[in-house]
Amino acid sequence: KAGVTQTPRYLIKTRGQQVTLSCSPISGHRSVSWYQQTPGQGLQFLFEYFSETQRNKGNFPGRFSGRQFSNSRSEMNVSTLELGDSALYLCASSDGGGQLNTEAFFGQGTRLTVV
Amino acid sequence: GENVEQHPSTLSVQEGDSAVIKCTYSDSASNYFPWYKQELGKRPQLIIDIRSNVGEKKDQRIAVTLNKTAKHFSLHITETQPEDSAVYFCAATLRGAQKLVFGQGTRLTINP
Repeated sequence: KAGVTQTPRYLIKTRGQQVTLSCSPISGHRSVSWYQQTPGQGLQFLFEYFSETQRNKGNFPGRFSGRQFSNSRSEMNVSTLELGDSALYLCASSDGGGQLNTEAFFGQGTRLTVV
Repeated sequence: GENVEQHPSTLSVQEGDSAVIKCTYSDSASNYFPWYKQELGKRPQLIIDIRSNVGEKKDQRIAVTLNKTAKHFSLHITETQPEDSAVYFCAATLRGAQKLVFGQGTRLTINP
């Protein structure tokens, strides 16, 4: 079974631009969560999607958005990029159905640098 | 609230000694507590997890204990080896919520 795949692996963007990151979950997994990882802040929850519906959202500004497609692939978008958005963005998929109480498998992440 | 506090932030132990990392959570409805290991430049990977109906779980040199009354859980690594050096994250998921909240992480260094 292929693992969780995130594209692209690296991105350099300029302040004010927008960016779209992609995540393909493990086949059969319908839940996809997104996290922002920075050195001082650990793993911060962005949002979680299940069967194309956003079920929960973290404490991030509205510039951060996402969606999930019928094949469970997910994208997250960040508009009007700020320097502070530079981070490793990780997605994780799981097969927990209605509950997130099974193993979450992480992708390699997309490292976003905003200059 | 939905917080997970993790301590210590850094831990250095001699090879062969034990390491203990502790986490506390705020929501008594939390029912699933995984631990992830993240090596430098790699993705987080699950090393052990425990559910709220169990007090302790062990897998070779790794064990996790859960105290629901005190709302804390701990990771124990015995006979540490150099390859145990990594950042460890605890997490708690909320029953009825689709959210996995992580602790801040512990950087564990095993000294030869």
